[in-house]
Amino acid sequence: DIQMTQSPSTLSASVGDRVTITCRASQSISTWLAWYQQKPGKAPKLLIYRTSTLESGVPSRFSGSGSGTEFTLTISSLQPDDFATYYCQQYNSYSSFGPGTKVDIK
Amino acid sequence: QVQLVQSGAEVKKPGASVKVSCKASGYTFNMYGIIWVRQAPGQGLEWMGWISAHNDNTNYAQKFQGRVTMTTDTSTRTAYMELRSLRFDDTAVYYCARGWSSTSVDYFDYWGQGTLVTVSS
Repeated sequence: DIQMTQSPSTLSASVGDRVTITCRASQSISTWLAWYQQKPGKAPKLLIYRTSTLESGVPSRFSGSGSGTEFTLTISSLQPDDFATYYCQQYNSYSSFGPGTKVDIK
Repeated sequence: QVQLVQSGAEVKKPGASVKVSCKASGYTFNMYGIIWVRQAPGQGLEWMGWISAHNDNTNYAQKFQGRVTMTTDTSTRTAYMELRSLRFDDTAVYYCARGWSSTSVDYFDYWGQGTLVTVSS
């Protein structure tokens, strides 16, 4: 099984900050990686797939990069609606999620 | 618009089985897959498995092999997930989601609202 890790587990930031979350895979997953945003009591929402392709309707302040085993999600200017938990997901071999990164208010 | 509507909350005793449904609308059902993910209280997302709505091929996470069965009914555009031999730590919100591909596990673009399954004696 491919194990996914994320860092940091919690990130405190202010509106307007540039935020970067890192996701690592235990073996190469090429670019078969997606990112999701989840708010309390809600289903996850797809943000990015194939490492860097923005899902329709997702603001352009979100971007993704990486390949192989290391990936990043960047929010260029954090907005009030962005305080949430973010998960990476690999789909190179079956699927698995990272443990999540909670972005909260500083 | 694409919608996935799941069945209601369940309370089960340890050792029992639960079957959660996921009714799809707004797209061609058999051109995509359906995945199941669960989330225990205060915890992260856990992928359980995938089923092709095209040919009923399945891939289950090793953790659930032998205990889970995923099926689809194309006539009613509904997917089902049955989990057997329930334990206390199966208490979670269970989500279905649409998988982009009908031939392999892929990313998930539309999600159901979630079904709370509580295992309690």
